[in-house]
Amino acid sequence: NAGVTQTPKFQVLKTGQSMTLQCAQDMNHNSMYWYRQDPGMGLRLIYYSASEGTTDKGEVPNGYNVSRLNKREFSLRLESAAPSQTSVYFCASSEFSDVGGYTFGSGTRLTVV
Amino acid sequence: AQSVAQPEDQVNVAEGNPLTVKCTYSVSGNPYLFWYVQYPNRGLQFLLKYITGDNLVKGSYGFEAEFNKSQTSFHLKKPSALVSDSALYFCAVRDKGDDKIIFGKGTRLHILP
Repeated sequence: NAGVTQTPKFQVLKTGQSMTLQCAQDMNHNSMYWYRQDPGMGLRLIYYSASEGTTDKGEVPNGYNVSRLNKREFSLRLESAAPSQTSVYFCASSEFSDVGGYTFGSGTRLTVV
Repeated sequence: AQSVAQPEDQVNVAEGNPLTVKCTYSVSGNPYLFWYVQYPNRGLQFLLKYITGDNLVKGSYGFEAEFNKSQTSFHLKKPSALVSDSALYFCAVRDKGDDKIIFGKGTRLHILP
């Protein structure tokens, strides 16, 4: 089925460890996004990529890096995980010209201990 | 800067009664407005959007929303609630010319049998 695929679905890290969250979409969308969801905070934008080869910071970029590897893939890296990064992470994609809203992945639940 | 407010953390409605989930927004220009729904352990699903035209927009699962420019509101409504409508609902706004969508903090809807 067409959509946004995120891996892994669950992850536990120790403080200071690094990891990369993967996201891929097969809808030929130009724009891709990473959000984090925390109780009472809604969804907050971490980074986004309006097109292949470009990335921009969102509301809460500190502690994260991203790579837009190609049009399909947009990865999020935590270089040195902290307990404050315990969250559910969602990747999304959209087509700017379509104004059709976003298509979301099913999320990655990350716990940093 | 654009922003979205959902004034109610939780809304309780008896099954069969009409429901309203409130949303107000702030943008510098003309808005694109969205509602998304999130079921437990799932990503967000698109419900409906307002781009232009008729102020009353209809979406999935019998939901509708009314755009009110003077009150800068975009409340979500349904004439007769179902228990299966119980979920977390997010209002979102995007400024025309901007690629990013900003989400509200979410409202948890409980439909009581």
